[in-house]
Amino acid sequence: QKEVEQDPGPLSVPEGAIVSLNCTYSNSAFQYFMWYRQYSRKGPELLMYTYSSGNKEDGRFTAQVDKSSKYISLFIRDSQPSDSATYLCAMSPGYSSASKIIFGSGTRLSIRP
Amino acid sequence: GAGVSQSPRYKVAKRGQDVALRCDPISGHVSLFWYQQALGQGPEFLTYFQNEAQLDKSGLPSDRFFAERPEGSVSTLKIQRTQQEDSAVYLCASTRTSQETQYFGPGTRLLVL
Repeated sequence: QKEVEQDPGPLSVPEGAIVSLNCTYSNSAFQYFMWYRQYSRKGPELLMYTYSSGNKEDGRFTAQVDKSSKYISLFIRDSQPSDSATYLCAMSPGYSSASKIIFGSGTRLSIRP
Repeated sequence: GAGVSQSPRYKVAKRGQDVALRCDPISGHVSLFWYQQALGQGPEFLTYFQNEAQLDKSGLPSDRFFAERPEGSVSTLKIQRTQQEDSAVYLCASTRTSQETQYFGPGTRLLVL
């Protein structure tokens, strides 16, 4: 069993819809939780990170962490065709470079105009 | 400003051939990471440098994989006697300090025939 599980999709929704992306994990030592966006033929870029449990909002994006359930989510409001990409959840026990980041396998998202 | 660059962007190798992949981190970035991303999967950690010191190489899959960063800037990932299972995208990331988010390059797509 992988430390981080993520539904690979693909997920296709119409423009303007609310998108919900999720990951589950097994390692209770994880403290930092991240979401990366990866366009085709590009490297991942960090969208958001949160520490421990709770919510964080940035524009149209909201990240939620529920450590008791070992479950994290990313919500995208008013989705746009430019949001079409693969979304990777990632987590680590610490924030320093010495703490390895473990990535999910990614969810491929397509926003239909 | 310039981001992380990697070369070549694409590499086709015959099985058994040696390859060298180059990473130019963002100028002044102290930490440098290599990841392997198989098709449909998230990046998996290979190795980590702080300046010229290789502090963690626990993710290197075999002794055919070797990474160096002799002057603390450019890094090279070398794969000897390539095998078909080495086919993947190799991503490089860098951070300014050991406490910051990782910036990824576009990756080198390696295909071993």
